Amino acid sequence: SQQGEEDPQALSIQEGENATMNCSYKTSINNLQWYRQNSGRGLVHLILIRSNEREKHSGRLRVTLDTSKKSSSLLITASRAADTASYFCATDGSSNTGKLIFGQGTTLQVKP
Amino acid sequence: GAGVSQSPSNKVTEKGKDVELRCDPISGHTALYWYRQSLGQGLEFLIYFQGNSAPDKSGLPSDRFSAERTGGSVSTLTIQRTQQEDSAVYLCASSFYRLNTEAFFGQGTRLTVV
Repeated sequence: SQQGEEDPQALSIQEGENATMNCSYKTSINNLQWYRQNSGRGLVHLILIRSNEREKHSGRLRVTLDTSKKSSSLLITASRAADTASYFCATDGSSNTGKLIFGQGTTLQVKP
Repeated sequence: GAGVSQSPSNKVTEKGKDVELRCDPISGHTALYWYRQSLGQGLEFLIYFQGNSAPDKSGLPSDRFSAERTGGSVSTLTIQRTQQEDSAVYLCASSFYRLNTEAFFGQGTRLTVV
């Protein structure tokens, strides 16, 4: 079964607006990661947040983690058409094996 | 190149034939993952190799699926007696084995069973 569940499944916004995607998971974790996928091919790592961190920034990306609610959010500020992609969260499920389980993803469309 | 390499990039096969998908991980990466992604869906975990430990095969959907990793490097995913529902993109990823590290993905193999 999938560990992470993203919502919304699809999001359409105008260029310049902010986009927020959410991820919920079921078990305790060591870390949570966000990945981006263009055109249904390889995924690219965006950001990793450890279980003892609550917020992390990278450029226009802001990730929050609430371990009490087992949820995370990814905020993309000042979106661009080039941000159009699918976004996935992944967790390691505190297995200490490094195994990553991905959610179903959010498809983001940024209209120019 | 220095990235994860998968071959072939596309494969069309007839129902009932066997196929082999190859993954060359980044040199030095001890962890290797295989995922399957159907059109418009999320990543379905298949199998995970970590160093010399027994692989985690808990995601393999049936005994028609198997994978091996030779010499702790190259991995081959084999699907026997392919079915139309096996059509998907098969993604491989590798990483260093330690906590809090990212995975690097190949571009995937798009398998079409006709």
